[in-house]
Amino acid sequence: DQQVKQNSPSLSVQEGRISILNCDYTNSMFDYFLWYKKYPAEGPTFLISISSIKDKNEDGRFTVFLNKSAKHLSLHIVPSQPGDSAVYFCAAKVAGGTSYGKLTFGQGTILTVHP
Amino acid sequence: DTAVSQTPKYLVTQMGNDKSIKCEQNLGHDTMYWYKQDSKKFLKIMFSYNNKELIINETVPNRFSPKSPDKAHLNLHINSLELGDSAVYFCASSPSLDEKLFFGSGTQLSVL
Repeated sequence: DQQVKQNSPSLSVQEGRISILNCDYTNSMFDYFLWYKKYPAEGPTFLISISSIKDKNEDGRFTVFLNKSAKHLSLHIVPSQPGDSAVYFCAAKVAGGTSYGKLTFGQGTILTVHP
Repeated sequence: DTAVSQTPKYLVTQMGNDKSIKCEQNLGHDTMYWYKQDSKKFLKIMFSYNNKELIINETVPNRFSPKSPDKAHLNLHINSLELGDSAVYFCASSPSLDEKLFFGSGTQLSVL
């Protein structure tokens, strides 16, 4: 049972346009969400996160939106740049308790930004 | 000056062999992890160690044995390798039990 799902395996956008990557989750105990970016032959690197007490977090060109009632989050990249081409992973965790940093990942979305 | 480094990057071996993957972090973090990326591309936690103490063992077969000689190292030893063990294994670290993770570049294990 995959508790975090990214239903779009790939996304292609034009440079300068908006990229919207989506993520759905099923576990209502998740209350902290992260996005990671991964280039080929490298490990994932942290991009942006959001706590469940917020519905939006912004960092430069990157904004994450959280809709708790729909159990859905999205990552917006504006404007998209060719260097943003990578695999984007959504991840979630239960904060505190015995989660001990355990992240549940989606399967990733390949973003390609065309010049 | 790589923050989280793991070796080897590629590992090709025969079924039944025993192999190890090493991981070292120079970030001064207290917590280290092993994640496995399966054929469907999901990253799944295998183990976490905090200050050399095992915290999470995510129902991994006991052929997999992590060893943490000190806070900066977390090695993964795999006995009697099986075809299904073929995957990319990522080591990661974090400054505490609840912080974002810093990943190594992965070890691609192929069992023939």
